Amino acid sequence: DQQVKQNSPSLSVQEGRISILNCDYTNSMFDYFLWYKKYPAEGPTFLISISSIKDKNEDGRFTVFLNKSAKHLSLHIVPSQPGDSAVYFCAASKDDKIIFGKGTRLHILP
Amino acid sequence: ETGVTQTPRHLVMGMTNKKSLKCEQHLGHNAMYWYKQSAKKPLELMFVYNFKEQTENNSVPSRFSPECPNSSHLFLHLHTLQPEDSALYLCASSRSPQTPLGSEKLFFGSGTQLSVL
Repeated sequence: DQQVKQNSPSLSVQEGRISILNCDYTNSMFDYFLWYKKYPAEGPTFLISISSIKDKNEDGRFTVFLNKSAKHLSLHIVPSQPGDSAVYFCAASKDDKIIFGKGTRLHILP
Repeated sequence: ETGVTQTPRHLVMGMTNKKSLKCEQHLGHNAMYWYKQSAKKPLELMFVYNFKEQTENNSVPSRFSPECPNSSHLFLHLHTLQPEDSALYLCASSRSPQTPLGSEKLFFGSGTQLSVL
C-alpha cells in the first residue's frame, strides 16, 4: 500500500504559466515533506522541503503548500520555464525513513 | 570531481553472472544509501550505511550484497539475479545519519541502469 501517492503520471503546462504538482499521503506521523526533481540520465536532486509544523515554504519560483487535515501537499512553480521539464518526486519522512512517490513528469510547452 | 559518482552507467548481465556496482561520494558525507527504481514504481530504499555500518536492510534478497569499505565508497554486489531485478539502481549520500532524515538532503548519483537477461 502506497503511503505517498502522486496520482498524475504527467502534466503539461504552457511556459510562463503556473505548474501545480500534487501529492497525497496516508501517514499523519510524517514530519517532513520533500520534493526532488529528476532529469533523464541523472539522479534526483533536492528541490524544496517543508516541516510538518508549517503550511507553506517558498524558495524563489518554487512554493510548497501543506494541508495536514487533507494529508495533501502541492508544489507550485511560477512562472514555469523550459528547464523545469523533468520528473518530480514527492517524498515524506519520519525519523530515519523517507518514502517516495512514483513521480509526475512535467512538460513545459513553448 | 564533486558529488556522487556511480559506475557503470549501464549494465547488462545474465542470470548466472556476478557483477558489482560502485558508488563514490566526494562530499565528506557519513551516510550512504542504495535505492532501486523499477519502472512505474516509487524509489525503494534497499540499504543504509551510517559511518560504514549497515543500519538498514529493507528486506532485500540475499542475491544483493552491499559493501561499504569506508565512508566514501559503497558497492552493491550482484549474483544470480532475476529478470525482475532489472531497474535503475541509485546511490545516495547525506551529511550525517541524523533523524529526522527529512531534515537532511539526499545527494543522488546518476544511477546504474541494470538489465538482467
